[in-house]
Amino acid sequence: AQSVSQHNHHVILSEAASLELGCNYSYGGTVNLFWYVQYPGQHLQLLLKYFSGDPLVKGIKGFEAEFIKSKFSFNLRKPSVQWSDTAEYFCAVRGRDDKIIFGKGTRLHILP
Amino acid sequence: SAVISQKPSRDICQRGTSLTIQCQVDSQVTMMFWYRQQPGQSLTLIATANQGSEATYESGFVIDKFPISRPNLTFSTLTVSNMSPEDSSIYLCSVEWTEAFFGQGTRLTVV
Repeated sequence: AQSVSQHNHHVILSEAASLELGCNYSYGGTVNLFWYVQYPGQHLQLLLKYFSGDPLVKGIKGFEAEFIKSKFSFNLRKPSVQWSDTAEYFCAVRGRDDKIIFGKGTRLHILP
Repeated sequence: SAVISQKPSRDICQRGTSLTIQCQVDSQVTMMFWYRQQPGQSLTLIATANQGSEATYESGFVIDKFPISRPNLTFSTLTVSNMSPEDSSIYLCSVEWTEAFFGQGTRLTVV
């Protein structure tokens, strides 16, 4: 079965630190990859997505992610985080059956 | 994009009772999806609701426990039946085009 693993359940960083959140998936076929974010008290929203083409994808608010097919990975990065980036981040993959499978999420807490 | 409204946003219910969650979308969609997000867990797909046909349930979810209605292309309901504390969770409605769009969720606590 398809699965998505997020390596970090809870990350605490200071403002201006660099961020990398790991995501690996198990499906070997063609995939669509997503990162979603849920700010406190708000609904899930899309940060960025990869369907095809350039494996380095840029999203909103300075986030980017790199698809490395050989490693089945789609890690999320941001060079300098802000306090407003405090949120929960979900990696997701759409593969077989067109269903979107989500990781367990990473809670990011930015210290001001 | 889509604007998805869910009601109620939260509720506290007695065990053994049922709760119906409503989901309204601002545009017509063929499929609507219902997810559950348990504390500390990922989003788990409960079922896919197609207008005019029976919902398709994922492994581990059954119609008797989670009956779904889909009366038109902009609306769906999910009922959580005969609730127990294990049903305490956030329930999310979603629609998809190239990516998924979510409602704000319904936070259910069963006591």
